[in-house]
Amino acid sequence: DVKVTQSSRYLVKRTGEKVFLECVQDMDHENMFWYRQDPGLGLRLIYFSYDVKMKEKGDIPEGYSVSREKKERFSLILESASTNQTSMYLCASSSVQGPQPQHFGDGTRLSIL
Amino acid sequence: TQLLEQSPQFLSIQEGENLTVYCNSSSVFSSLQWYRQEPGEGPVLLVTVVTGGEVKKLKRLTFQFGDARKDSSLHITAAQPGDTGLYLCAGKGGYAGKSTFGDGTTLTVKP
Repeated sequence: DVKVTQSSRYLVKRTGEKVFLECVQDMDHENMFWYRQDPGLGLRLIYFSYDVKMKEKGDIPEGYSVSREKKERFSLILESASTNQTSMYLCASSSVQGPQPQHFGDGTRLSIL
Repeated sequence: TQLLEQSPQFLSIQEGENLTVYCNSSSVFSSLQWYRQEPGEGPVLLVTVVTGGEVKKLKRLTFQFGDARKDSSLHITAAQPGDTGLYLCAGKGGYAGKSTFGDGTTLTVKP
């Protein structure tokens, strides 16, 4: 069964901390995505990657960076966490034939105190 | 940014009823996806529609893409409690790899 795995379901961090969210997919997909989901705002794209070491900004990249050193792993980094980054973070992947997110992880609910 | 509006925002019905949810935009999309998300889980892709006027069926769910590829609808026949969830539409424009999501329709089907 295909799977996108996010390293943590729940995470609590403090303002100013550097936060790493990890995502691994086992489908050999080229494309990987990071979204955040907030009530009333839907899913908003933070960054996506269409190949190893390649990345492109989404709609709300400010305050975030990403790393894709291996095809199966896509990391989201909050450089200096702030309370307005409290949210549900969703990772997704897709094959090159379908650059829309096909498979999502179960999400990481991140709270910044 | 291409905007997608979903309606209704919330829908609560009894088991066995039929329903339709809508996804509308002023922008043209090259494809449109529908997802269902259950509490505590990530969205699950239900269908992708590509051609204007296209109709796809998935058991009791019928998806239609508008002729102008600006809107879509999801019709559920004889809803069941297992259909409960957040239904999201997402449209892909011409920019590779970027899909715009609607805010979703929260459906509750009561037994």
